[in-house]
Amino acid sequence: DIQMTQSPSSLSASVGDRVTITCQASQDISNFLNWYQQKPGKAPKLLISDASNLKTGVPLRFSGSGSGTDFTFTISSLQPEDIATYYCQQFDNLPVKFTFGPGTKVDIK
Amino acid sequence: QVQLVQSGAEVKRPGASVKVSCKTSGYTFTNYDISWVRQAPGRGLEWMAYISTYNGNTNFAQKLQDRLSMTTDTSTSTAYMELRSLTSDDTAVYYCARVAGREFDYWGQGALVTVSS
Repeated sequence: DIQMTQSPSSLSASVGDRVTITCQASQDISNFLNWYQQKPGKAPKLLISDASNLKTGVPLRFSGSGSGTDFTFTISSLQPEDIATYYCQQFDNLPVKFTFGPGTKVDIK
Repeated sequence: QVQLVQSGAEVKRPGASVKVSCKTSGYTFTNYDISWVRQAPGRGLEWMAYISTYNGNTNFAQKLQDRLSMTTDTSTSTAYMELRSLTSDDTAVYYCARVAGREFDYWGQGALVTVSS
């Protein structure tokens, strides 16, 4: 099974800071990597698909990059409403299976 | 608009079963598959299972495959998840999510299942 790791597990940054989260897969997953934002008490929200495809309506300060085993999620200028936990997620096709990373909790300093 | 509306919170005794429903609307049910994801209190997201709404094919997380079943009712555009032999470790919020290829593009609001004696 493919394992996903994320770092850091939590971070605290100031409004306006650039925030970067990394996600690593235990084997090559091409660009089959998605990023979700989850606010407390809410369902996750898909932000980025296929490593770098920003979903419609998602602010441009969010971005993603990477392929193979190493991926990066960036918030270019942290806003108070970005306080949440962020998860990466990978997809296997044979058989269909999904795996989430452990999450990164983002707070305001 | 696309909506996934789940059944309400449940409290179950250890050893019991729970069945959670996920009623969809705003799209053609059989054009998208459904997955179930759970989140224990203070923990991360755990993928549980997948069902094809087109042909009923399923796949389960290995740790749950002996206790978990899923069904769909295309006449009501509803998916169901049943988990048996509950323990306290199954206390969690259970989410259904629409599968759009390799991603979950819409989610239900979640259903809290509490297992307690």
